Amino acid sequence: AAGVIQSPRHLIKEKRETATLKCYPIPRHDTVYWYQQGPGQDPQFLISFYEKMQSDKGSIPDRFSAQQFSDYHSELNMSSLELGDSALYFCASSFSVGGRRRTEAFFGQGTRLTVV
Amino acid sequence: AQKVTQAQTEISVVEKEDVTLDCVYETRDTTYYLFWYKQPPSGELVFLIRRNSFDEQNEISGRYSWNFQKSTSSFNFTITASQVVDSAVYFCALSEADYGQNFVFGPGTRLSVLP
Repeated sequence: AAGVIQSPRHLIKEKRETATLKCYPIPRHDTVYWYQQGPGQDPQFLISFYEKMQSDKGSIPDRFSAQQFSDYHSELNMSSLELGDSALYFCASSFSVGGRRRTEAFFGQGTRLTVV
Repeated sequence: AQKVTQAQTEISVVEKEDVTLDCVYETRDTTYYLFWYKQPPSGELVFLIRRNSFDEQNEISGRYSWNFQKSTSSFNFTITASQVVDSAVYFCALSEADYGQNFVFGPGTRLSVLP
């Protein structure tokens, strides 16, 4: 069965550079979530989208932005990267009806971002 | 506010031993979902189970079983006859039912199963 696809799997950037992470949800899933997991930490919620609209916002820095496109894929844009942004970034998707989640959220394999 | 506590930071067992991972949660919601995810060394998050707050039946899936006790706000996870491949970090998570769009994860328990 198709899973959540994240690209790239690994990314190395220098401080102050920008990075774009992509997430392709499971087909027919309309909700996408982004999480950041620092080394030895639990995943922290960043932001989510339902039907291309932002539905919830967590601890996402102002330097980050995200959007969901008409084909439901999502991109997380990160600017002015800092060393502390080095983390595993997960995307998850689920199917919702009227904004109410109706399935488990399935996670992608994550993008490991290293800022040097 | 929602909060998930996993008091065991690390657990080591020898293969074939049974092990229970504890999860205690806090929420003001009367309707919510509880989850367990496994994160092997490769890094991905693997969904194990979802349980809604109205279903207190214990569940068994092969060597895995879950004990949901609403009275003590606990959702413990037991692995029977552990195997080396069970070595991973296990996260318990909580979300509001339906309306909730995000998960609150516990800090995780690192399980090491030794041969």
